[in-house]
Amino acid sequence: GESVGLHLPTLSVQEGDNSIINCAYSNSASDYFIWYKQESGKGPQFIIDIRSNMDKRQGQRVTVLLNKTVKHLSLQIAATQPGDSAVYFCAENMGLETSGSRLTFGEGTQLTVNP
Amino acid sequence: DSGVTQTPKHLITATGQRVTLRCSPRSGDLSVYWYQQSLDQGLQFLIQYYNGEERAKGNILERFSAQQFPDLHSELNLSSLELGDSALYFCASSAHPYNSPLHFGNGTRLTVT
Repeated sequence: GESVGLHLPTLSVQEGDNSIINCAYSNSASDYFIWYKQESGKGPQFIIDIRSNMDKRQGQRVTVLLNKTVKHLSLQIAATQPGDSAVYFCAENMGLETSGSRLTFGEGTQLTVNP
Repeated sequence: DSGVTQTPKHLITATGQRVTLRCSPRSGDLSVYWYQQSLDQGLQFLIQYYNGEERAKGNILERFSAQQFPDLHSELNLSSLELGDSALYFCASSAHPYNSPLHFGNGTRLTVT
């Protein structure tokens, strides 16, 4: 299943399928991006990050792709499991090294995994 | 468990009152951040401290203030509370002050009645 960025805040997939969550970021000068997972009643949980000098980074069952040309970020989750059901946020650092981090979050995508 | 501890978990207070939220960062992290999460505004960056000094400021109201103490714990003070201040307040910490993953606590849910 695939979401269409910030305009489609929900994504429903079948267990075992791959999920793709998309995010359009706003600042072409942003040099650092993070994906977070937030479950109900908990704080955002770090999933994976990527710097602007890379276009792909892989973790355990997750891959982040960065396309700076169109200011687009995506999170791919392989073999989605019910425990992956949560809200997923992308975040970009809109700060400067001299002035600190200003991690700015997108609106989030609700991922629902159906058994 | 992120290692970031926030207290209290829940807080109910009346308009006009003042509250203090507390945060202990992960062991070894020097930078602390405060975020507000409400249904209509999403996650909003409030302020960042690094090793006791303010580093970056976001959309923090003048009625709100924060500080980071020598032992690196931080407090967020909210005064003259309004109904619209009801939200989840998250603290996060990171090892470095820039381009470093933030690790969030589980938040303090503030309800202003």
